[in-house]
Amino acid sequence: KQEVTQIPAALSVPEGENLVLNCSFTDSAIYNLQWFRQDPGKGLTSLLLIQSSQREQTSGRLNASLDKSSGRSTLYIAASQPGDSATYLCAVRAGNTGKLIFGQGTTLQVKP
Amino acid sequence: GAGVSQSPSNKVTEKGKDVELRCDPISGHTALYWYRQSLGQGLEFLIYFQGNSAPDKSGLPSDRFSAERTGGSVSTLTIQRTQQEDSAVYLCASTLLATGGYEQYFGPGTRLTVT
Repeated sequence: KQEVTQIPAALSVPEGENLVLNCSFTDSAIYNLQWFRQDPGKGLTSLLLIQSSQREQTSGRLNASLDKSSGRSTLYIAASQPGDSATYLCAVRAGNTGKLIFGQGTTLQVKP
Repeated sequence: GAGVSQSPSNKVTEKGKDVELRCDPISGHTALYWYRQSLGQGLEFLIYFQGNSAPDKSGLPSDRFSAERTGGSVSTLTIQRTQQEDSAVYLCASTLLATGGYEQYFGPGTRLTVT
């Protein structure tokens, strides 16, 4: 059974700092991995999608990497801003139905 | 174009009542998913639709939960005889195809509170 774990559960950093969020999964047979952002009381916003054949994806200040063999992904946020404060969720797509298995999330606070 | 929409955004109901939650996926998306987000449980898969059929209902927690999709578009999730443990945010997502590496796009969710 696929399990997804995110560490740390919460993180507080000063504005401007670079940071890394971690995601691990137990079964390396994934189709892809998706990083989401969730603001309080809101739905999920897709940030980055990495296919199983890819090693990384970049969007602006965000960079996500994938090491399928070790069951790990990282989300790197450069030059963090208070507006980055949110919960970040990673999810793996396993199986041919496309359903996502989510981690518990990392709640990020960026202090001005 | 419009994203995934859900209604109502909030629903408060008394224990024992039935509720219906609605999801309008992105036009042209063949695959639709329902998830539930509750405190302490995180985000859990409930059911997957391909077109109007549901080949994977493995996440539905009990037979009080059912869902349908019509016209390959709108879906409704019905919870009968609601219980307090059903209180959660119910999220709907759609994607172009279940196969292939397409992104899932989520709606804003319906927050259900059972009193």
